[in-house]
Amino acid sequence: AQSVAQPEDQVNVAEGNPLTVKCTYSVSGNPYLFWYVQYPNRGLQFLLKYITGDNLVKGSYGFEAEFNKSQTSFHLKKPSALVSDSALYFCAVREGDVDMRFGAGTRLTVKP
Amino acid sequence: GAVVSQHPSWVICKSGTSVKIECRSLDFQATTMFWYRQFPKQSLMLMATSNEGSKATYEQGVEKDKFLINHASLTLSTLTVTSAHPEDSSFYICSARDYTGRADTQYFGPGTRLTVL
Repeated sequence: AQSVAQPEDQVNVAEGNPLTVKCTYSVSGNPYLFWYVQYPNRGLQFLLKYITGDNLVKGSYGFEAEFNKSQTSFHLKKPSALVSDSALYFCAVREGDVDMRFGAGTRLTVKP
Repeated sequence: GAVVSQHPSWVICKSGTSVKIECRSLDFQATTMFWYRQFPKQSLMLMATSNEGSKATYEQGVEKDKFLINHASLTLSTLTVTSAHPEDSSFYICSARDYTGRADTQYFGPGTRLTVL
């Protein structure tokens, strides 16, 4: 069965510094990997996805993620964090045509 | 990106009443929609998957008679919480799957906050 883990409940970074939000996955076949962001009392906003092709995926708001098959990871990154990036981030995996599974979420706080 | 809307964004109701939540895909046709529930500071829990024109598939532990799902068209799915009780209070989020030109991606609605008194 497919699953995804976000090992950090909370990530704190200073504005202007690079940020990384970690995600590892487990599937038996080829994964479809996604990152979503959730602001308070809002639904999830799609950031980026990996289906196939280049391992480095660029998404919305300057975010990118690198698919690493050997480490089964799909960490979210941004070179320079903004205070407005503070939110809850979810990694998700889907294998084939089954439903998506979400990680527990990582709360990112960017301090000015 | 694709837009999914939900209505209402929040609702307060009395215990024992029923509440209907609508989910619409605004710029694409969604043969498959999903309903999630999210408790405070927790991840999303899939409740059911609905396919247009057929019965929804419910996850284990989700009462199909309590959470009625109708996916009557390619752009509309509804979730009705019947005989709501305070323990049904939660944040309900729908999602629609876009299989078309943008490739296979799930887009989420803004969520509906349900409070049952």
